[in-house]
Amino acid sequence: DGGITQSPKYLFRKEGQNVTLSCEQNLNHDAMYWYRQDPGQGLRLIYYSQIVNDFQKGDIAEGYSVSREKKESFPLTVTSAQKNPTAFYLCASSFSSGRSYNEQFFGPGTRLTVL
Amino acid sequence: AQSVTQPDIHITVSEGASLELRCNYSYGATPYLFWYVQSPGQGLQLLLKYFSGDTLVQGIKGFEAEFKRSQSSFNLRKPSVHWSDAAEYFCAVDYNSGYSTLTFGKGTMLLVSP
Repeated sequence: DGGITQSPKYLFRKEGQNVTLSCEQNLNHDAMYWYRQDPGQGLRLIYYSQIVNDFQKGDIAEGYSVSREKKESFPLTVTSAQKNPTAFYLCASSFSSGRSYNEQFFGPGTRLTVL
Repeated sequence: AQSVTQPDIHITVSEGASLELRCNYSYGATPYLFWYVQSPGQGLQLLLKYFSGDTLVQGIKGFEAEFKRSQSSFNLRKPSVHWSDAAEYFCAVDYNSGYSTLTFGKGTMLLVSP
């Protein structure tokens, strides 16, 4: 089955530790995205990548880093510089902006709790 | 700044009653418009989308939405709500920035009463 997987579903870390969230897709999508969701805030874009080895900052990139070494994978690292990292993180993917539309497909999310 | 407004944080509807969730966007040109649904602790599922053409679009689970350019709105409707529709609904807009990014509203939580 084609889809997006995120692991783990729940993640606990101590304050000051870096943590990496996994996102893998087998939809042959070019573009991938990371969103942060907080209660009552909707989804806010952290980083996105249109193509392998290239990515751009979204609206709230501070304290986060990403890599895009493979088309299928777009891991997100939450660094110790992120002041309030506890949140629900969603990964998404889509075909590239070269198409006439952009329908994003979402993974099941990872809930990160920093203690 | 480009924005998406969902004015209702919570809506309670009786089972079997009709539903309308509101969404307004800030940009003048016609963007691409989406409605997503999210069950607690889950990812988002696409309900429907509008790119061009007929301004009334049909989606999954009996939902429909109407694009009104004059009002910069894209309201979601369902004639008869089922208890399983209880979830959070997000309106999203692709402002055709060339970067394939979506701007999301803050969501509307739908509660269904028996």
